[in-house]
Amino acid sequence: NAGVTQTPKFQVLKTGQSMTLQCAQDMNHEYMSWYRQDPGMGLRLIHYSVGAGITDQGEVPNGYNVSRSTTEDFPLRLLSAAPSQTSVYFCASSPGRAGAYVIEKLFFGSGTQLSVL
Amino acid sequence: AQKITQTQPGMFVQEKEAVTLDCTYDTSDQSYGLFWYKQPSSGEMIFLIYQGSYDEQNATEGRYSLNFQKARKSANLVISASQLGDSAMYFCAMREMYSGGGADGLTFGKGTHLIIQP
Repeated sequence: NAGVTQTPKFQVLKTGQSMTLQCAQDMNHEYMSWYRQDPGMGLRLIHYSVGAGITDQGEVPNGYNVSRSTTEDFPLRLLSAAPSQTSVYFCASSPGRAGAYVIEKLFFGSGTQLSVL
Repeated sequence: AQKITQTQPGMFVQEKEAVTLDCTYDTSDQSYGLFWYKQPSSGEMIFLIYQGSYDEQNATEGRYSLNFQKARKSANLVISASQLGDSAMYFCAMREMYSGGGADGLTFGKGTHLIIQP
């Protein structure tokens, strides 16, 4: 019953450091995505993927990179962390089919609290 | 213009009363979906209910129902017989079939912080 697993749960970085937030799902979902949640802002889409080898930008992609080499994993990379990237990050997935227009609920991971000093 | 508007930043409700959380949306798509998620203080996002734009009946899931008024672009969440465990942030979200690129993602409102008082 793992669902969507995010690691780490908490992370503190210094400005300029790089790191990767990990996301894995065991539901064979085609669609995976990353959101950030800031106080008073709701959740905003960073990047998403509709299948292995296919990624695209969301609403707030600057400062983040993603790749999707397998169906299960969708890591989010911060290349040079900035204080503005202090946030809670959520990974989410849904069954989806690559290239198909479907509307489905998202299954969320438990989140990563990131602080950049 | 915001695509999802939740006008109630916070609400206090007495236990066992019914609660209505407001959500209005803006889209030019004919095909879209509306979702409500609950986020308790522990932080996880819990799916509550879904309404498709072509669904004629209002969605219901246990104590949750969605009051869908398409012409008014309104998708209010109704919680019947509120419980202390309902205290949480509640987010309304929309996924557009075509304007959002189909596979894009959910657009979230800013949330309503609901507190149930004993």
